[in-house]
Amino acid sequence: AQKITQTQPGMFVQEKEAVTLDCTYDTSDPSYGLFWYKQPSSGEMIFLIYQGSYDQQNATEGRYSLNFQKARKSANLVISASQLGDSAMYFCAMREGNAGRRALTFGSGTRLQVQP
Amino acid sequence: DTGVSQNPRHKITKRGQNVTFRCDPISEHNRLYWYRQTLGQGPEFLTYFQNEAQLEKSRLLSDRFSAERPKGSFSTLEIQRTEQGDSAMYLCASSLGGGANDEQFFGPGTRLTVL
Repeated sequence: AQKITQTQPGMFVQEKEAVTLDCTYDTSDPSYGLFWYKQPSSGEMIFLIYQGSYDQQNATEGRYSLNFQKARKSANLVISASQLGDSAMYFCAMREGNAGRRALTFGSGTRLQVQP
Repeated sequence: DTGVSQNPRHKITKRGQNVTFRCDPISEHNRLYWYRQTLGQGPEFLTYFQNEAQLEKSRLLSDRFSAERPKGSFSTLEIQRTEQGDSAMYLCASSLGGGANDEQFFGPGTRLTVL
């Protein structure tokens, strides 16, 4: 079974509008962390936001927020006020366990295109 | 530039040749990771070092792959007897260590093409 599922291969959004990128995850570990990364065409992975499984509040970082629904095992990324520079691939990732495993498991990504 | 650096950025080789990639992490980071990313997919974990100790290896890391991190600073990833299926982007990341929100900073990657 896929541990991270991103069901939207591609998304379009108009500049200045908000967009939600979906991510569902699968784990039986009670302790885990969820990450979102952005990968522009240059190829470098850029960290955006983190949500811990025990965090009570949804994470926010500037224009990025994470809609964390633990019971549904979803961690959707919300980008507010989209900018042309937001056009990129977006990856959801999970790290399971508290301190033992360090590996991130990534989804297959969503390509976001922001239109003027 | 104080980010993660990787060399070379591109490598073209013939099937059966050996290749070696280098990763220089952010200087104060004691954790270093290697991932592989094929076209249209997310990165897949290969291996992880804490200082010079290799603590975790994926089953993707066949016996043709070997990684080292002597002295806990830079790391090398060697692929022996390359195959066309090894063609991918090889990403290195480093992190400071600490709690569950230990953020991994990625380098620009080395793109390998095996002919």
